[in-house]
Amino acid sequence: DIVMTQSPDSLAVSLGERATINCKSSQSVLYSSNNKNYLAWYQQKPGQPPKLLISWASTRESGVPDRFSGSGSGTDFTLAISSLQAEDVAVYYCQQCYSTPLTFGQGTKVEIK
Amino acid sequence: EVQLVESGGGLVQPGGSLRLSCAASGFTFSDHYMDWVRQAPGKGLEWVGRTRNKANSYTIQYAASVKGRFTISRDDSRNSLYLQMNSLKTEDTAMYYCTRLGLPGWGQGALVTVSS
Repeated sequence: DIVMTQSPDSLAVSLGERATINCKSSQSVLYSSNNKNYLAWYQQKPGQPPKLLISWASTRESGVPDRFSGSGSGTDFTLAISSLQAEDVAVYYCQQCYSTPLTFGQGTKVEIK
Repeated sequence: EVQLVESGGGLVQPGGSLRLSCAASGFTFSDHYMDWVRQAPGKGLEWVGRTRNKANSYTIQYAASVKGRFTISRDDSRNSLYLQMNSLKTEDTAMYYCTRLGLPGWGQGALVTVSS
């Protein structure tokens, strides 16, 4: 099984400042035949289902603000929020779609400092 | 717009059974893999299992924690996904979501509580 490890578990950032979440997979999720990283990022606000933010490690979904960006390849990935807004308070999860069992990171809670 | 609506949740005793349904709309259901994901109270997300599409022989895979107890099925004619849960344990208590992992769209979930 591919283990997904996020860091940190939680972080507090001032409004307007940058937030960065890291995600490491225990093996590469880069599929060599199409050069795609099978890595997604989700946002979950309290009392709501998760929402897909980014697929293929760096492709922002339609309607997702451009302050959210994803980067990385292979085993190391990053979700960045360039200028934290109050509505970004949530738990963020990375997830690999490379192989079953599909696995999630443990989640990173983002709060306002 | 993608819509996924789960139903069938409730309170069940340990060892009991429950069947969840998911009604899908807004996309061509038959073309897609479908997943069940659960979230225990206050915990993270856990993949339960996946059914592939007809083009991939409707193959189904499960998480080790539910294999042999849960059965995923789909009815493409009804745009519906199902999760039959047998031999339920207290640790199966969770919100259960149907989704297409890696693609947009999650339901509001169905709450399953296993307790005596």
